[in-house]
Amino acid sequence: QKEVEQNSGPLSVPEGAIASLNCTYSDRGSQSFFWYRQYSGKSPELIMSIYSNGDKEDGRFTAQLNKASQYVSLLIRDSQPSDSATYLCAVRGSNYQLIWGAGTKLIIKP
Amino acid sequence: SAVISQKPSRDICQRGTSLTIQCQVDSQVTMMFWYRQQPGQSLTLIATANQGSEATYESGFVIDKFPISRPNLTFSTLTVSNMSPEDSSIYHCSVDGGGGAGEKLFFGSGTQLSVL
Repeated sequence: QKEVEQNSGPLSVPEGAIASLNCTYSDRGSQSFFWYRQYSGKSPELIMSIYSNGDKEDGRFTAQLNKASQYVSLLIRDSQPSDSATYLCAVRGSNYQLIWGAGTKLIIKP
Repeated sequence: SAVISQKPSRDICQRGTSLTIQCQVDSQVTMMFWYRQQPGQSLTLIATANQGSEATYESGFVIDKFPISRPNLTFSTLTVSNMSPEDSSIYHCSVDGGGGAGEKLFFGSGTQLSVL
């Protein structure tokens, strides 16, 4: 059973601080990794994708991938109240199926 | 990016009835994906709908329960048949964002279904 694990939270972070979200996966053959943001009552939207070990930055967002340790992280710098949402990690496994984590609820406190 | 219109946005249905969810995309797409998101849970793929062929269902989902139509490259429907309270979920329509591998997905606004 291929799995993607996330801490459900909620993760509470003060406004302006760095929010760190983590995701681990079981399929060592996974090649593609994605972070989606889902506001309450809304559908998911893609915010980051990463395919190689290391960091990938896009504005205030940084995705980090470590295939040896089988984890992928999302850092949000200068957190804003508008970043409050559930963040879903999705992993394309070796069987090409997209496996979703259950999401981490992030709360940014003003 | 793709703009996806999904309706209804929500519905409350009686046990034993059926509901058809419509998904309209503003551009032609090869694959459309139907997901279910149960309360507090993550997304589970129900099926992949290709135009001109039968949908491909994931383990645990069958065509009799979730029939799908895909009459053209911009439209699809998902029917939830003979509903029970366990079918209460959010149902999402999504399309591939261009990567071609069904990874970078664009989602419709979702259909929140409650079955009494």
